Amino acid sequence: DVKVTQSSRYLVKRTGEKVFLECVQDMDHENMFWYRQDPGLGLRLIYFSYDVKMKEKGDIPEGYSVSREKKERFSLILESASTNQTSMYLCASSSPTGATYEQYFGPGTRLTVT
Amino acid sequence: AQSVTQPDIHITVSEGASLELRCNYSYGATPYLFWYVQSPGQGLQLLLKYFSGDTLVQGIKGFEAEFKRSQSSFNLRKPSVHWSDAAEYFCAVGRNAGNMLTFGGGTRLMVKP
Repeated sequence: DVKVTQSSRYLVKRTGEKVFLECVQDMDHENMFWYRQDPGLGLRLIYFSYDVKMKEKGDIPEGYSVSREKKERFSLILESASTNQTSMYLCASSSPTGATYEQYFGPGTRLTVT
Repeated sequence: AQSVTQPDIHITVSEGASLELRCNYSYGATPYLFWYVQSPGQGLQLLLKYFSGDTLVQGIKGFEAEFKRSQSSFNLRKPSVHWSDAAEYFCAVGRNAGNMLTFGGGTRLMVKP
């Protein structure tokens, strides 16, 4: 059974803290993604990685960075958390082979920045 | 740039009634189109997808969707809704050869007993 796991379901951080959100997939997928989900806005892509150490900016990368040192793990980093980064963060993975393009999602991390 | 619009933020239907959730997209090329469902406290699950061919696609849980190029629409339908269908539904269009998705704002479905 395919699985994408995220390190925390809920996280509370203070303004200015450095925050790490971790995502691990066990499907040997090349592609990994970080989204944020806000009411009425749906999911917006923050960053996309198509291979180890390779990344591409998504639609809203400002204030975020990412790290992919191993194929199965993709980290989202908030260098200095701000209250407008309070949101639900979803990680996903997919394989570019087989032309299915289905993305598999983790359960999400609800981050509150106070 | 591509975009996806889901005009209905909330929809309430009675159990057993039919359902149609609307999705309109803007994309310059042949679109890859998806519907995902998010149940409370869960991640997103793929319901169905359209890449080419037959414009009526069948998905899991009894859902289907119809691609209409002339209307730039990809509406999701179900003939008889069950209480367990209460969830949030997202339409998405794929770009970068389908590897990246642009999502609509979502439609929250409530089911009355």
